[in-house]
Amino acid sequence: DAKTTQPTSMDCAEGRAANLPCNHSTISGNEYVYWYRQIHSQGPQYIIHGLKNNETNEMASLIITEDRKSSTLILPHATLRDTAVYYCIVRVGTAGNKLTFGGGTRVLVKP
Amino acid sequence: DAGVIQSPRHEVTEMGQEVTLRCKPISGHDYLFWYRQTMMRGLELLIYFNNNVPIDDSGMPEDRFSAKMPNASFSTLKIQPSEPRDSAVYFCASSLGTGIGLNEQFFGPGTRLTVL
Repeated sequence: DAKTTQPTSMDCAEGRAANLPCNHSTISGNEYVYWYRQIHSQGPQYIIHGLKNNETNEMASLIITEDRKSSTLILPHATLRDTAVYYCIVRVGTAGNKLTFGGGTRVLVKP
Repeated sequence: DAGVIQSPRHEVTEMGQEVTLRCKPISGHDYLFWYRQTMMRGLELLIYFNNNVPIDDSGMPEDRFSAKMPNASFSTLKIQPSEPRDSAVYFCASSLGTGIGLNEQFFGPGTRLTVL
């Protein structure tokens, strides 16, 4: 699985958009970008995933650069409940493939 | 759906004792994963099953660790004998193999293990 690089931490103001970057310069053509988050004392939770097109769901948007070497997770209107560690994971999309978690980005949403 | 269920939520034991962690995956899911989380090593996969069969146990740290999945609705992770360095939060996750793409993993609440 391709290695990812994320900032260690970032702060965000409540109600503002949070933009979380992720670098994955060694991504292969058949690897997807997945985002999970882990709220304190809970198990990780899936947010969104994509291959090469931008994706949006009820939780977030995922912007993947044309060369696929980086991506950005966007939380459009951050709330205090979005305070968590966010993990960017790159892996082949076949069933059963393990998730390899890096250090993630610790996001603190401030009022 | 109740989600992935793990028990116990907290376990405190003494070094040398046997510890058994339990997991009930989401009904219908055919993949089950065991992860361990520590401050030093982060989240790491220990083992995973497909249709109750162990597929990859390369993350199991040593012979003191064993995992079983006797049926589609139950799995155990056993540590015998336990050591203080096994103290961690152990997560179980399950997923439905839907082919290429999502294969979202649903995580349980975790079991916090403390070995004294």
